Amino acid sequence: AQKVTQAQTEISVVEKEDVTLDCVYETRDTTYYLFWYKQPPSGELVFLIRRNSFDEQNEISGRYSWNFQKSTSSFNFTITASQVVDSAVYFCALIQGGYSTLTFGKGTMLLVSP
Amino acid sequence: KAGVTQTPRYLIKTRGQQVTLSCSPISGHRSVSWYQQTPGQGLQFLFEYFSETQRNKGNFPGRFSGRQFSNSRSEMNVSTLELGDSALYLCASSLEYRDGYTFGSGTRLTVV
Repeated sequence: AQKVTQAQTEISVVEKEDVTLDCVYETRDTTYYLFWYKQPPSGELVFLIRRNSFDEQNEISGRYSWNFQKSTSSFNFTITASQVVDSAVYFCALIQGGYSTLTFGKGTMLLVSP
Repeated sequence: KAGVTQTPRYLIKTRGQQVTLSCSPISGHRSVSWYQQTPGQGLQFLFEYFSETQRNKGNFPGRFSGRQFSNSRSEMNVSTLELGDSALYLCASSLEYRDGYTFGSGTRLTVV
């Protein structure tokens, strides 16, 4: 069975600090897909990034960066120079093998104070 | 390009009633999935439809059902509502599931 663990329930930082959100996943398949979504107070889940199990290349997009390590089954997300607008709940999710459904972690609430 | 549209945004129902929620996917997307989000259980998968056929189903009682129409629009129905059904119901559509899903803003259902 697949599982996604986000151990950090809530993180509070001051604007301009860097923050890393942790995600650990479990799956028996060699083919899987990992995602990060952002949920602002409006409720909509906003897609941030996708990674497949064959691509361990880390990625940077503006202030966002992702560190995918198969050896530790982790897919961590870092926001550099955080801003108040980054305040939201962030979800890590997994699609396993031939299945088409998302398994979500419990989410990490990020609060960025001015 | 229009996103995933869910109606209504908010709904208040009485215990024992039934409710129907609607979802219009992104044009061209044939896969539509439904998720329930509650503070206690988090995001849980309800079911997925692809080309009018239910492809996957989560672990929810039979009171929860859904369907998809030929234009890919989907509805989910909850019969005999219970207080515990109060949640945010999110719909998502995808062209190819491996690329991820686009979510709607959700329908917030309150059962009183």
